[in-house]
Amino acid sequence: GAVVSQHPSRVICKSGTSVKIECRSLDFQATTMFWYRQFPKQSLMLMATSNEGSKATYEQGVEKDKFLINHASLTLSTLTVTSAHPEDSSFYICSAEPRLAGSSYEQYFGPGTRLTVT
Amino acid sequence: TQLLEQSPQFLSIQEGENLTVYCNSSSVFSSLQWYRQEPGEGPVLLVTVVTGGEVKKLKRLTFQFGDARKDSSLHITAAQPGDTGLYLCAGAGDYKLSFGAGTTVTVRA
Repeated sequence: GAVVSQHPSRVICKSGTSVKIECRSLDFQATTMFWYRQFPKQSLMLMATSNEGSKATYEQGVEKDKFLINHASLTLSTLTVTSAHPEDSSFYICSAEPRLAGSSYEQYFGPGTRLTVT
Repeated sequence: TQLLEQSPQFLSIQEGENLTVYCNSSSVFSSLQWYRQEPGEGPVLLVTVVTGGEVKKLKRLTFQFGDARKDSSLHITAAQPGDTGLYLCAGAGDYKLSFGAGTTVTVRA
């Protein structure tokens, strides 16, 4: 149980184009989904918190107009990197918090998406 | 500034040896989680500790949550090459997780 999928797993795009990454909770409903960014050999950096049906909450320093988040249902959240530039190249990971997690705040992570902007 | 300090940053040991990873903070967390991540994959949840002083065992892995709920440790007994990976601790608070910088563990056969 508690499986989270991400699509695509890898994407290469040209500078100036937009890329959409999907995150799905496959066997549970997620009240909240999170988007992280991870640089090589570093820890996860939280970009934004997304609640179904409401606007995402972005962490300080993350441009909301550049990283568009949509959380259309309790099982799907999308991250769109708009007008991508080489410095946006990174490993993007989503996570989902089960609806009944309560106070433990357990998050289950997707396998990640490797974005390369050329 | 990392809310959670993990140590050591890197650990390389021989198969069969024991190891301990530490996670410390000045903040109190409602719960603390340990994850293991392999290259090119997402983190996998190993355990969640909630109660101060709690000890949880998962086969050869022992997790401890400090009495004040500010620190935690992960101890692996008789490490195996399959234990190799990046170990991350994460503290829950303000409806989100704060991650430590991670400990890269390498177990040599």
